[in-house]
Parts: sequence; C-alpha cells; structure tokens
Amino acid sequence: RKEVEQDPGPFNVPEGATVAFNCTYSNSASQSFFWYRQDCRKEPKLLMSVYSSGNEDGRFTAQLNRASQYISLLIRDSKLSDSATYLCVVNFNNAGNMLTFGGGTRLMVKP
Amino acid sequence: SAVISQKPSRDICQRGTSLTIQCQVDSQVTMMFWYRQQPGQSLTLIATANQGSEATYESGFVIDKFPISRPNLTFSTLTVSNLSPEDSSIYLCSVEEEGANQPQHFGDGTRLSIL
Repeated sequence: RKEVEQDPGPFNVPEGATVAFNCTYSNSASQSFFWYRQDCRKEPKLLMSVYSSGNEDGRFTAQLNRASQYISLLIRDSKLSDSATYLCVVNFNNAGNMLTFGGGTRLMVKP
Repeated sequence: SAVISQKPSRDICQRGTSLTIQCQVDSQVTMMFWYRQQPGQSLTLIATANQGSEATYESGFVIDKFPISRPNLTFSTLTVSNLSPEDSSIYLCSVEEEGANQPQHFGDGTRLSIL
C-alpha cells in the first residue's frame, strides 16, 4: 500500500465546474499536510497547507479528516489556468521534515 | 518565501560521467533537501543536506552515487556520479520554512538526460 495515495486522473472538467480531489495517507501519526501544484515541466509549488479545521483560499478549500486519514481539495469555478497536477504531501516525521508525496492528480480544464 | 536558484536547468551527459547541480538560496535556511522526479513519477527524497556534516540519505540512495555538499546555510550541491540512462530524471532542491510543520519550497529543477 502506498503511503500517500491519490487518484491519478485525469479529471477533465469544463470551465466553471467544481472539482474535488481526495488523498489518503497511511500513517495516523502524520502531523502536517499540504497541497502542491505542479505544471508540466515545472517544479512543484505550494498551493496551500491543510489545517485540522479546514481552510479556504479563494476558490480553493482544503479539508483534513484525521479519523479516516484523508485530505481533500475542492476547486470551485475552475479556470483554464487551473490545469495542472495536484500533489498531496504529508509530513510523516515531525522530528524532521520528511515529506512524502502522492503520485499526483492531473486536472484538465477545458473551455 | 526564499528565492531558490538551481543550475544548470538542464544538461545532457555521457554515460560514466558525473554532473554537479548547485542550489543557492537568498537567505539562510536550516533545512535543505534534494529530490528526484523520474519521468511520469512523483518526487522521491534523495537526502537531507546537513550544514557542516554528512548528508542523511534515504533508503536506496548512497553517498558514493549522490555525494552532497552543504558548506553553509545558503548553498548546497548534489553530484550524480557514474551516470547511466536510469539517472535521467529531474533533480530538485528544496528548503523548508523555519518553524514546526512548515512546507518546503522548490528550486526550478535540473532536467538531466543521459546519452
């Protein structure tokens, strides 16, 4: 079983749609969680941290469910520029920042 | 967040040679890391670059193949030695924001191809 698991997609959605990605993680002691965005042939860029109470940044909402060990990312009113791969990232070791990356979910927003 | 400069951005190398990748940060950072991203894959941590001491390598990565230097808090190098086609990959350095449970930020990456 992968430590951080994501549906690879691709998710093909029209502009303006709402799309949600889920990610599951195996280590119940994990302390911190992030969503990164990676464009083709570019480095990953931090999209948002994920907090226990859930957090929102514009059209993006991230939620954490510790009991079920999953993280979600909701994108509202999708834009063409949202097309990218979204990486779920978990810190398994709070003593040192050992990030484990999911395989990524590819999103394609069509006109 | 810190500005991270990585070079070269890409290179094409012959088998058996080595390539050294540099990572420069515009501010002092405690934690620096080196990752590999193979084609179509997600990121895998190679090692943590420790300032003033030997790097900490992850399972499957060894110092002889991936020697790392960290002479100060703003700079690190990763060398990929004795290159083979399997080393064709993107190599990324990252730095961690100071404080607990902080995210990492990545350099632009080095795209390496082996002939």
